[in-house]
Amino acid sequence: AQTVTQSQPEMSVQEAETVTLSCTYDTSESDYYLFWYKQPPSRQMILVIRQEAYKQQNATENRFSVNFQKAAKSFSLKISDSQLGDAAMYFCAYRSPDSNYQLIWGAGTKLIIKP
Amino acid sequence: NAGVMQNPRHLVRRRGQEARLRCSPMKGHSHVYWYRQLPEEGLKFMVYLQKENIIDESGMPKERFSAEFPKEGPSILRIQQVVRGDSAAYFCASSPIGGGYEQYFGPGTRLTVT
Repeated sequence: AQTVTQSQPEMSVQEAETVTLSCTYDTSESDYYLFWYKQPPSRQMILVIRQEAYKQQNATENRFSVNFQKAAKSFSLKISDSQLGDAAMYFCAYRSPDSNYQLIWGAGTKLIIKP
Repeated sequence: NAGVMQNPRHLVRRRGQEARLRCSPMKGHSHVYWYRQLPEEGLKFMVYLQKENIIDESGMPKERFSAEFPKEGPSILRIQQVVRGDSAAYFCASSPIGGGYEQYFGPGTRLTVT
């Protein structure tokens, strides 16, 4: 069974600086999807970025980028120029291509932005 | 295009009562997923439905929990005879006709059992 691990329960970063959130996963599949979701205090779950495992190029969305290391089964999220609005819980999630559902989630990392 | 709607946002029930949580998917979406989030944890898959069909309920507790997605109207997650351990945030997500790997989430319903 697939598992997702986020080893950092909490991270803090100074406003305008860069922070990296780590995520590792375990799977025997060669093709899959990976996601980072943001959950602010409003509790709305917001998709930040996604990566298809068959793509070698790391996904990027404005200030958010990933470092996808398929062999190491690592999928870290880098947030550049951190802003106060980035403060939230960040969840890493995995989805098998054979399953049209069942996102498998990590436990989350709480990101604190220091002004 | 309105997002995924869930209501109520907050629901308080006494032990033994029934809880009904509603989810209206995004327009054009016919796949609905329910997840539960316990405090300080990630989401756990509960059930996947299409219109009038339960596709996978492997994450649903065997007793007291049921879900439906009728031809007309919202998807309903029903919890009978609630217990304190049912207190959690329940999230609904939807995806387009034909699936697709991206799920769009609603704001969640926070259930508190007193």
